[in-house]
Amino acid sequence: DADVTQTPRNRITKTGKRIMLECSQTKGHDRMYWYRQDPGLGLRLIYYSFDVKDINKGEISDGYSVSRQAQAKFSLSLESAIPNQTALYFCATSEPGQGYRGYTFGSGTRLTVV
Amino acid sequence: GENVEQHPSTLSVQEGDSAVIKCTYSDSASNYFPWYKQELGKRPQLIIDIRSNVGEKKDQRIAVTLNKTAKHFSLHITETQPEDSAVYFCAASIKDDMRFGAGTRLTVKP
Repeated sequence: DADVTQTPRNRITKTGKRIMLECSQTKGHDRMYWYRQDPGLGLRLIYYSFDVKDINKGEISDGYSVSRQAQAKFSLSLESAIPNQTALYFCATSEPGQGYRGYTFGSGTRLTVV
Repeated sequence: GENVEQHPSTLSVQEGDSAVIKCTYSDSASNYFPWYKQELGKRPQLIIDIRSNVGEKKDQRIAVTLNKTAKHFSLHITETQPEDSAVYFCAASIKDDMRFGAGTRLTVKP
């Protein structure tokens, strides 16, 4: 089935370590997003990409970077992880145009920084 | 940019009762309003959506209403069941720039 896959599903890392979260999709969508979810704060946009050569900052990009390796792959990196980056991270895809139906989310990565 | 507020943050109802979740948005240019359901430990999934040229949309036990003048939209769930228990997110979108509400945790008590 066409879907959005995130790896790893869970990760515990130490403060100061570099970590990469990966997202791949088989939906053929051009647009990909990284969101962070904290309790009571909903979903906040970190970075988004409309195609392979397009990268844009979202509302909370500080401390994060991204790479769009291919249409189907969008990775999120924490260069030097800190405890307040402990959260649930979601990748999402969308395809604008007629019949637009919002985002398809990946299964999420639960990250804990100790 | 767009700002979406969602109320209430928690809602508890008895099985069989109705549940209503309300959202307001700030940018009158927003033209697409989806609702997502997130079950515990799972990803948000689209359950219903409405576009700005429509005032109401219904799909079985769920319905969404949109008041463009007042810039608010609501999710209505009738005949609630325990499996409706989840966190529900509203969102407002302008050309695929989507902003989410903070979520409502709905609990349906058997």
